[in-house]
Amino acid sequence: EIVLTQSPDFQSVTPNETVTITCRASQSIGDNLHWYQQKPDQSPTLLIKFASQSISGVPSRFSGSRSGTDFTLTINNLEAEDVATYYCHQTSRFPSTFGRGTKVEIK
Amino acid sequence: EVELVQSGVEVKKPGESLRISCQYSEYNLMSYWIGWVRQMPGKGLEWMGIIYPGDSDARYSPSFQGQVTISVDKSISTAYLQWSTLKASDTAKYYCVKSMVSLGVVDFWGQGTLVIVSS
Repeated sequence: EIVLTQSPDFQSVTPNETVTITCRASQSIGDNLHWYQQKPDQSPTLLIKFASQSISGVPSRFSGSRSGTDFTLTINNLEAEDVATYYCHQTSRFPSTFGRGTKVEIK
Repeated sequence: EVELVQSGVEVKKPGESLRISCQYSEYNLMSYWIGWVRQMPGKGLEWMGIIYPGDSDARYSPSFQGQVTISVDKSISTAYLQWSTLKASDTAKYYCVKSMVSLGVVDFWGQGTLVIVSS
């Protein structure tokens, strides 16, 4: 099973700062890595697919990148509505697996 | 527009059986898969398994194989997740999800069904 190691577990950020979340895969998964946002008491929603592809309706301050087996979610100019837990998800090999999540709060 | 409408909160006792449901809407006549994701209280997301409504082909994560059954009734556009013997550790919120392939990005999530198992 592919393990996704997300870091940090928690990040407290002031508004307008940039947030960087990393997800490292235990083996090569190509670009088969996706990011979701789960706001408090809500269902997750898709933010970025295939490492860096944007999703219609998602603000442009969210972006994704890949370097080998390291994947990064970047949130530029953090807004209060971005308070959430962010998860990475691999669909390269069965079974599909998720990272443990990164909780982002406003200072 | 895609819709995944899940059944409501369930409160059960250990040892009881349960089936929760997810009614899905047709989506531009394209085929897709319906999966289930578990989220235990205060914890992260776990992919359980997925089914193709067209032929009921179901795939399970090894962690959940034998613990749950995923099924579908295509005639009423409803997918199911069921347990024959619930345990307290099954207490969680269960999300019904949609993917275009069996091992694919989840592009839509249901609202979740909270299952509480307590004596």
